[in-house]
Amino acid sequence: DAKTTQPPSMDCAEGRAANLPCNHSTISGNEYVYWYRQIHSQGPQYIIHGLKNNETNEMASLIITEDRKSSTLILPHATLRDTAVYYCIVRVGTDKLIFGTGTRLQVFP
Amino acid sequence: ETGVTQTPRHLVMGMTNKKSLKCEQHLGHNAMYWYKQSAKKPLELMFVYNFKEQTENNSVPSRFSPECPNSSHLFLHLHTLQPEDSALYLCASSPVHDSPLHFGNGTRLTVT
Repeated sequence: DAKTTQPPSMDCAEGRAANLPCNHSTISGNEYVYWYRQIHSQGPQYIIHGLKNNETNEMASLIITEDRKSSTLILPHATLRDTAVYYCIVRVGTDKLIFGTGTRLQVFP
Repeated sequence: ETGVTQTPRHLVMGMTNKKSLKCEQHLGHNAMYWYKQSAKKPLELMFVYNFKEQTENNSVPSRFSPECPNSSHLFLHLHTLQPEDSALYLCASSPVHDSPLHFGNGTRLTVT
């Protein structure tokens, strides 16, 4: 079973920051937080992952709380092409990547 | 272009047919995966291969038979499927088993 909780859907205006929350209150010390997204009719796409520190790449930023029980994925300037289902997953080492139901993000003009 | 190519993109087959799904990755990865995505359900891991050896079979029925002849190719052989097997079948690869996965765009399978 997925070990994360995400809101089922969110809206965001184009050009604004999209902040997608994820709760993982039972995360263990060596589990990483991964984010993927799935655009309609495509396979999931890796976005970012982190353990304790905040992470940033060309796609997004990942903010992990100090107690590691929750995290937020930030898309700094959402575009219409960011409309997708976003999955937050916790995983350690070679464990199975278990997907939940994710958050459906709708970016509107 | 994800570097992971799946063929065919769409497949319709009867319950008595035998067909195969193909996955090819051009990323030099050593781990490959099959996932199933049914309507309204989360992705389900089916099989994992590490360096051509199967390391995970997630209680998949024997009518699904995987084959990994080398680190770049992965097949899923299908026979006597049921209508409830209709789904999007996704292949993925990763450099090693604990790295982020790169997914193909899947094969949409319909069993009639």
